[in-house]
Amino acid sequence: GAGVSQSPRYKVAKRGQDVALRCDPISGHVSLFWYQQALGQGPEFLTYFQNEAQLDKSGLPSDRFFAERPEGSVSTLKIQRTQQEDSAVYLCASSLVLFGGGASYEQYFGPGTRLTVT
Amino acid sequence: AQTVTQSQPEMSVQEAETVTLSCTYDTSESDYYLFWYKQPPSRQMILVIRQEAYKQQNATENRFSVNFQKAAKSFSLKISDSQLGDAAMYFCAYRSAGNNNDMRFGAGTRLTVKP
Repeated sequence: GAGVSQSPRYKVAKRGQDVALRCDPISGHVSLFWYQQALGQGPEFLTYFQNEAQLDKSGLPSDRFFAERPEGSVSTLKIQRTQQEDSAVYLCASSLVLFGGGASYEQYFGPGTRLTVT
Repeated sequence: AQTVTQSQPEMSVQEAETVTLSCTYDTSESDYYLFWYKQPPSRQMILVIRQEAYKQQNATENRFSVNFQKAAKSFSLKISDSQLGDAAMYFCAYRSAGNNNDMRFGAGTRLTVKP
């Protein structure tokens, strides 16, 4: 497709389960970002990649959160031993380049995955 | 650390009228980018308008315009001739022009458009 896609759109997990959230960025986009959006709040940065390299993971809330992008395209955000406070919408965004002016720095967002931990 | 503040949790406008959404930010950097994103119930974040901090001229995109006051660290969004389809959450966002490439978002303003 032409846009960023994410799957699943909805995920319900029991506390303690592991989950994996997938992001398919726009083809050719170098940079990929993950954000966490709690209910009624703005998105908060989790991590980003340039190609397959994870350049910043400072926003990951705990060592239960892990992200990868092994071939520089599709990315997976994994949450181990989910807790209720992990319930949120997880947004993925991609951009053509990391730096630069003009439209190249625009981040295109996917529809998000709503995670509910019961 | 940069912070973005949206002081209006909710705003309402009559169809065809004009509304202004407020945003302030805190930063010690001189070069950065500012954005307004729209998030409808489908959750897809859509870029409405962007502003480069080094540009003095306020950005305009059709019915959307900004009032960028760099010294005051203010970045408000004006929507003219409001349409029913403008109803959504609006987020103001800041992005450094340096190595930190993540965006910082405000808490959002929910805009209701009344027919």
